[in-house]
Amino acid sequence: KNEVEQSPQNLTAQEGEFITINCSYSVGISALHWLQQHPGGGIVSLFMLSSGKKKHGRLIATINIQEKHSSLHITASHPRDSAVYICAVRDDKIIFGKGTRLHILP
Amino acid sequence: NAGVTQTPKFRVLKTGQSMTLLCAQDMNHEYMYWYRQDPGMGLRLIHYSVGEGTTAKGEVPDGYNVSRLKKQNFLLGLESAAPSQTSVYFCASRSTGGGTEAFFGQGTRLTVV
Repeated sequence: KNEVEQSPQNLTAQEGEFITINCSYSVGISALHWLQQHPGGGIVSLFMLSSGKKKHGRLIATINIQEKHSSLHITASHPRDSAVYICAVRDDKIIFGKGTRLHILP
Repeated sequence: NAGVTQTPKFRVLKTGQSMTLLCAQDMNHEYMYWYRQDPGMGLRLIHYSVGEGTTAKGEVPDGYNVSRLKKQNFLLGLESAAPSQTSVYFCASRSTGGGTEAFFGQGTRLTVV
């Protein structure tokens, strides 16, 4: 079993829809990252969480340490949000999920 | 991704050749990591370092060696490249402490023919 599981693996939605991507993990962590990667591109850090909730623009990330679960939400989605979203957990190591490929249709 | 620089950005190797990838960070970070990214597999940890002079194996260390002789540099070596090592390689770094951000390099696209 992977230490970091993301769902869904792929998601296609219409512009304007509310998007939720989930991440569950099975190891002890000191922090959780949400990252974004465009095709052929580098990795951009969106959030780092160790508890609670963070918001940046249309993006919201939450984490429940007791349940070992985090969610990334995108409000009023836009085609430019199309990318791969990656959850990563860390203690000494940083362990990545396989990513969620998001495609927002205009 | 200011602060973490990977060189080279692209490379084509013949099977059996050797090469070294360099990851450099100017943020005085203790932790540094090397990953490979393959389609459908996500990023997998090759080796990592928790400080100057220390290295440890990750999930997929075979065929790679690393060195951390200077705190700012983490080198990834391929002694005898194989086509299975065709991948995109990413480096990351962070400082100690649970609340610190991690920074990523832009990636190195390596093709072994």
